Amino acid sequence: KQEVTQIPAALSVPEGENLVLNCSFTDSAIYNLQWFRQDPGKGLTSLLLIQSSQREQTSGRLNASLDKSSGRSTLYIAASQPGDSATYLCAVRGFQKLVFGTGTRLLVSP
Amino acid sequence: DGGITQSPKYLFRKEGQNVTLSCEQNLNHDAMYWYRQDPGQGLRLIYYSQIVNDFQKGDIAEGYSVSREKKESFPLTVTSAQKNPTAFYLCASGLRHRNTGELFFGEGSRLTVL
Repeated sequence: KQEVTQIPAALSVPEGENLVLNCSFTDSAIYNLQWFRQDPGKGLTSLLLIQSSQREQTSGRLNASLDKSSGRSTLYIAASQPGDSATYLCAVRGFQKLVFGTGTRLLVSP
Repeated sequence: DGGITQSPKYLFRKEGQNVTLSCEQNLNHDAMYWYRQDPGQGLRLIYYSQIVNDFQKGDIAEGYSVSREKKESFPLTVTSAQKNPTAFYLCASGLRHRNTGELFFGEGSRLTVL
């Protein structure tokens, strides 16, 4: 059974810092991995999707990497801003469904 | 605009009542999903549907029911058999059998049992 873990559970940084969020999974037989952002009381917004054959994806200040063999993905956020404050979730796609991690709650202070 | 619409955003229910949460999408996606989110836990899959008139149980289907009569719609009924229904419910959609595709989510419905 696939298990997805995100560390740390919470992170607080000053504005401008570069930071890394971690996601690990136990079964490397995945189709893809997706990073989401969730604001309090809201739905999930897709940030980046990495296919199993890819190593990384970039969108603006965000860069996600995938190492399938070691069961790890990282989300790198450059030059963090207060507007980046949210919970970040990773999810791995096996056959027909996504398995989610419990998220990292990020607070970026001005 | 294309997207997924969930309603109502907030819902209160007395114990013993059934309630239905609506999910509508205009993305022309074949696959639709219902997830439940509780504090400190990852999202858990309740039901999913890959095509009209067909659906499968997810990991926590007990106490829930769904229907898929139209491609655009995938309503979730929380029945009185669900022992702990207070939670945040999220609907998602994606391309059928496209395991390489993205999943898109609605804004969620928060159900509180009084």
